[in-house]
Amino acid sequence: DTGVSQDPRHKITKRGQNVTFRCDPISEHNRLYWYRQTLGQGPEFLTYFQNEAQLEKSRLLSDRFSAERPKGSFSTLEIQRTEQGDSAMYLCASSWDWAPNSGNTIYFGEGSWLTVV
Amino acid sequence: DAKTTQPNSMESNEEEPVHLPCNHSTISGTDYIHWYRQLPSQGPEYVIHGLTSNVNNRMASLAIAEDRKSSTLILHRATLRDAAVYYCMQATNDYKLSFGAGTTVTVRA
Repeated sequence: DTGVSQDPRHKITKRGQNVTFRCDPISEHNRLYWYRQTLGQGPEFLTYFQNEAQLEKSRLLSDRFSAERPKGSFSTLEIQRTEQGDSAMYLCASSWDWAPNSGNTIYFGEGSWLTVV
Repeated sequence: DAKTTQPNSMESNEEEPVHLPCNHSTISGTDYIHWYRQLPSQGPEYVIHGLTSNVNNRMASLAIAEDRKSSTLILHRATLRDAAVYYCMQATNDYKLSFGAGTTVTVRA
């Protein structure tokens, strides 16, 4: 399968613990996005990267959230000191910015479910 | 964030067409209109996108109003596998998709 891969698919953690999610985008894609989705809501944009550069992170929910894409390939999303309100599905997506304003397609992974107990 | 308006839900019978409306009255001249759908417990899936002209692909058709303030996603023959939440979005220049609540489509056998 050459789609966007996320790991782990499910994570249960105790409040106060740190968690990290990994995303492997489609190999030729230079843009990578993180979204969060809670039950009954549409996905909420968090941040995105063009290659290794994080171009927007203002939507990260708090300073407990951080994302990296060290070599412009895979990315990690870390949540420190988790709270019960962090329970959600965390979605990664990727795209190829081959032509600005071309309306290129964004491909999503299956998501990583986080439950904080 | 750019906002779109969609009905909360829509029902259809299997093998019948489904027309999903979307209003995007604040759309700018360079914003694409994107449609994605999300099946239960899965990530969103691309359906179709367009700028000004109507678009067709193997999944659906997209009809865009002349003033671009609204569009309609058309599923020509609904199947049970088309039951999902359908999201209509204006894509800003940096492709930051802003999802709303979407339209929940139910297909009756």
